[in-house]
Amino acid sequence: EAGVAQSPRYKIIEKRQSVAFWCNPISGHATLYWYQQILGQGPKLLIQFQNNGVVDDSQLPKDRFSAERLKGVDSTLKIQPAKLEDSAVYLCASSLDIRDKGTDTQYFGPGTRLTVL
Amino acid sequence: QKEVEQDPGPLSVPEGAIVSLNCTYSNSAFQYFMWYRQYSRKGPELLMYTYSSGNKEDGRFTAQVDKSSKYISLFIRDSQPSDSATYLCAMSAVGGGGNKLTFGTGTQLKVEL
Repeated sequence: EAGVAQSPRYKIIEKRQSVAFWCNPISGHATLYWYQQILGQGPKLLIQFQNNGVVDDSQLPKDRFSAERLKGVDSTLKIQPAKLEDSAVYLCASSLDIRDKGTDTQYFGPGTRLTVL
Repeated sequence: QKEVEQDPGPLSVPEGAIVSLNCTYSNSAFQYFMWYRQYSRKGPELLMYTYSSGNKEDGRFTAQVDKSSKYISLFIRDSQPSDSATYLCAMSAVGGGGNKLTFGTGTQLKVEL
């Protein structure tokens, strides 16, 4: 079974530029998550999708971050404009379906390492 | 105060040692407790998963949850160099959209030959 795919793996940009990350979840997984992991910290949830609807985006900085999951499969996360503090690894994860469950195993992709200069 | 506290280490042990990794938490709504392992430049992978209080064993790994003390542990027996990684505890509450994980900062473990 193929895992969660992410691209690009690495990205270096200057502050105030824009950047986009792409995620392809495990086939059949209805729930998709984007996390931000700053060096030396644990992942922090930015946004959670159930199919193509948003379940939780309470920690997404909406003035600069946006995410979409058209057709309930692939997803993109965009930052515009980027700030120095956005330097982090952006992890995508997917799980089967969280409806009517307390929890469900999340499978993580390798992440995109973003450096903002 | 952070919801989940974890000693960042680094922790260095000789091969074959017993390793104890710990997290404390403040949110009494947490019911699901997980340990993830993260190798360098990789995404986290689920190692152990426990619901509510109690112990769970899987090979060389044992997870313990003490909800009364809001304390969870992961024990690794007969540690191997391949166990060298960052170990993240994670927790979630029941309901309310479910499955939102709150992670600790991770403990970096190195098992030396």
